[in-house]
Amino acid sequence: AQSVTQLDSHVSVSEGTPVLLRCNYSSSYSPSLFWYVQHPNKGLQLLLKYTSAATLVKGINGFEAEFKKSETSFHLTKPSAHMSDAAEYFCVVSDAYYKLSFGAGTTVTVRA
Amino acid sequence: EAGVAQSPRYKIIEKRQSVAFWCNPISGHATLYWYQQILGQGPKLLIQFQNNGVVDDSQLPKDRFSAERLKGVDSTLKIQPAKLEDSAVYLCASSPQPPNEQFFGPGTRLTVL
Repeated sequence: AQSVTQLDSHVSVSEGTPVLLRCNYSSSYSPSLFWYVQHPNKGLQLLLKYTSAATLVKGINGFEAEFKKSETSFHLTKPSAHMSDAAEYFCVVSDAYYKLSFGAGTTVTVRA
Repeated sequence: EAGVAQSPRYKIIEKRQSVAFWCNPISGHATLYWYQQILGQGPKLLIQFQNNGVVDDSQLPKDRFSAERLKGVDSTLKIQPAKLEDSAVYLCASSPQPPNEQFFGPGTRLTVL
């Protein structure tokens, strides 16, 4: 069985400051991991994905995530938050058949 | 490239009524998924189709939910009869063959009163 735990349900940052969203995963084999973003009343958009290549993964809009097998973590970061980053973020693990298991989500608010 | 289309975007019904949602995947995508996203939770897979065959429907409440994908393209998800706890956003996604990234539609927000 596989699962993800997003350690923060809500993160609030000031515009221009770094963003850190934490995710731990559980999987019985080498997983594929994803971060998706969901803006209000919009569909889920893929930010980045890890599929056993480089452990530091760069995504869209300046986001990146680092896969750490020893810590079973896949934290998402961005050096400088923008107002448009306010959204819901989901950490996702995929099994060998590409069945996705979503975390509960982290709501990001950005203060001006 | 057109994305995944879903309709309607919003639906409000009374409990015990029936409702249907429609999804048109990205052209050429063999795999189609329906997810249920309850407020405050991550999406949960209801059913997965490969072309017009069901691959996984283990989480589909079959006493009230049904889904079909005729001709391996469009899909319809139906709830009959609806319960209060069915209030959620229903997301459709598609992926190419072999499956890799899933592309999501905007969802249908269902409110059951």
